[in-house]
Amino acid sequence: AQSVTQLGSHVSVSEGALVLLRCNYSSSVPPYLFWYVQYPNQGLQLLLKYTSAATLVKGINGFEAEFKKSETSFHLTKPSAHMSDAAEYFCAVSDRKSGGGTSYGKLTFGQGTILTVHP
Amino acid sequence: DTEVTQTPKHLVMGMTNKKSLKCEQHMGHRAMYWYKQKAKKPPELMFVYSYEKLSINESVPSRFSPECPNSSLLNLHLHALQPEDSALYLCASRGKESPYDGYTFGSGTRLTVV
Repeated sequence: AQSVTQLGSHVSVSEGALVLLRCNYSSSVPPYLFWYVQYPNQGLQLLLKYTSAATLVKGINGFEAEFKKSETSFHLTKPSAHMSDAAEYFCAVSDRKSGGGTSYGKLTFGQGTILTVHP
Repeated sequence: DTEVTQTPKHLVMGMTNKKSLKCEQHMGHRAMYWYKQKAKKPPELMFVYSYEKLSINESVPSRFSPECPNSSLLNLHLHALQPEDSALYLCASRGKESPYDGYTFGSGTRLTVV
């Protein structure tokens, strides 16, 4: 079964500092990987996704992630943190199943990393 | 329309009540999902519908009953819930084209069982 592991349940940075959130995956086939952000009492918003077209993926709000097969990693980075980046971040992997004429998949999440940004 | 809309946003119900959660999308997505998220935990998959047919049931107790009456609507019927069922219930949808597509999530229903 495919899975992701997020290293560090809490990450704290200063405003303007580099953000690095770690995610490692376990998969016997090329994975489909995603990063989502969740603000308090809200749903999940897609930040970026790995499509195998490029190993460096750029997302919204200045975030990017690099797929490294040799390290089975998909870490999320942002060069300069902003106060508004404070939220919980989930790495997720999707398998692929089909039925009824569509590929619907099953999205499995890591345990999440809470990002705190200090002024 | 690029949203998944969930109603109600908050729900408090007693253990003997019957209630329903509603999820709606008009993006033409044919895969729809229910996830349950407990506090400080990641979302956990409950059900998957593909083309209005139940494709995955992750061994969810029968007190949760999903329904997909049409391609735009997904319901979750609740009956005889327990306090431990209190959680954020998230609906999501995904386009049919590719597993590369991101899932679009609603903002959730915060359920409290008393």
